[in-house]
Amino acid sequence: IQMTQSPSLLSASVGDRVTLSCKAGQNINNYLAWYQQKLGEAPKLLIYNANSLQTGIPSRFSGSGSGTDFTLTISSLQPEDVATYFCQQYNSWLTFGSGTKLEIK
Amino acid sequence: QVQLQQSGAELTKPGSSVKISCKASGYTFTSYDISWIKQRPGQALEWIGAINPGSGGTGYNEKFKGKATLTVDKSSSTAFMQLSSLTPEDTAVYYCARVLPYYFDYWGQGVMVTVSS
Repeated sequence: IQMTQSPSLLSASVGDRVTLSCKAGQNINNYLAWYQQKLGEAPKLLIYNANSLQTGIPSRFSGSGSGTDFTLTISSLQPEDVATYFCQQYNSWLTFGSGTKLEIK
Repeated sequence: QVQLQQSGAELTKPGSSVKISCKASGYTFTSYDISWIKQRPGQALEWIGAINPGSGGTGYNEKFKGKATLTVDKSSSTAFMQLSSLTPEDTAVYYCARVLPYYFDYWGQGVMVTVSS
């Protein structure tokens, strides 16, 4: 299943509400996870089952969506949120999106 | 705390094989599958396959069948991935990750494998 993320690059200011999109090529129900990858580090799980916040992740991160359209929202962007964000579906085998790189304006 | 400690970077020649390791600690090794994921610069992450450390049962992405072989050593809580017939397209960072069916809650630090003559 192809996963398409947009935009590929996003610049925003500290304190902004930021929305990242992930679209699946077919219905994946709510079998979607979001990861954050900072430069030189391994990915970190943020969200699973489309909207469940992983333990220890700040509450400014939230996920929504079902079916084919999904969103990761950061309610108030912080400098430490600079990273690339990937979505991953696990409805049928496992595939990842190509990522959204988030920068501070 | 849960940790997955991977082996060091590898520089290898085309046509050769390489075996990288992933040592688990902080949890019961046989209770969770381990997956391997490939990351090339500018490309999407790719799931290679998974192994159940308790049974040794494996599942592979079709793309990596014949390329990757997954094994475990329960006595040392270590998972291994062997990559064979290496080409420059195998140059990448390879991660191991603990599987919560079927997303990944803990990741190793990654191993850079470089294939070059």
